Amino acid sequence: DQQVKQNSPSLSVQEGRISILNCDYTNSMFDYFLWYKKYPAEGPTFLISISSIKDKNEDGRFTVFLNKSAKHLSLHIVPSQPGDSAVYFCAASSKGAQKLVFGQGTRLTINP
Amino acid sequence: GAGVSQSPSNKVTEKGKDVELRCDPISGHTALYWYRQSLGQGLEFLIYFQGNSAPDKSGLPSDRFSAERTGGSVSTLTIQRTQQEDSAVYLCASSPTGSWIGYNEQFFGPGTRLTVL
Repeated sequence: DQQVKQNSPSLSVQEGRISILNCDYTNSMFDYFLWYKKYPAEGPTFLISISSIKDKNEDGRFTVFLNKSAKHLSLHIVPSQPGDSAVYFCAASSKGAQKLVFGQGTRLTINP
Repeated sequence: GAGVSQSPSNKVTEKGKDVELRCDPISGHTALYWYRQSLGQGLEFLIYFQGNSAPDKSGLPSDRFSAERTGGSVSTLTIQRTQQEDSAVYLCASSPTGSWIGYNEQFFGPGTRLTVL
């Protein structure tokens, strides 16, 4: 039972353009969502998060949008840079729960 | 300061052998998590330790898996009688507290790549 889904295993974007990574979830109890970025041979690093009381959170080039009615969130990166090439994981949590539920990841490649 | 460290970085073992994977969390972090990532899959929660509380073992896939956390710091994940399906990257994470995950991001180690032949 995959509660958090990232349906695109890979995405290729030209440098300078916008990258949009998508994530869907099924558990309506989730109320906190996070994006992690992972380089090869390294652990995931926290990128940005959003609470369910918001529909948008912005941090520099990164913006996360949350659509609760559609149980969908997306990560926008603009402008995309070569250093953004990595695997991006969407994760979700519910209040009081200690574990994160992760999606399968999307491999983003930024082409020069 | 030092981040989360894990050892070994790679482990190759034969089916049926026992393995131990080690995690050193960030100093002062009270919460410690184990996850695993199988090929083509997302990160799967295994177990969670918070201070002196009983661990949340709800993610352990079978009774061949166990974990300890000694002195509230270092943790060891043990897999007994390894099977080929245990092959994965095992990731450890720590956070300052575990009371509300949203305000305490998890810091991950580089992982241990386990290959069971």
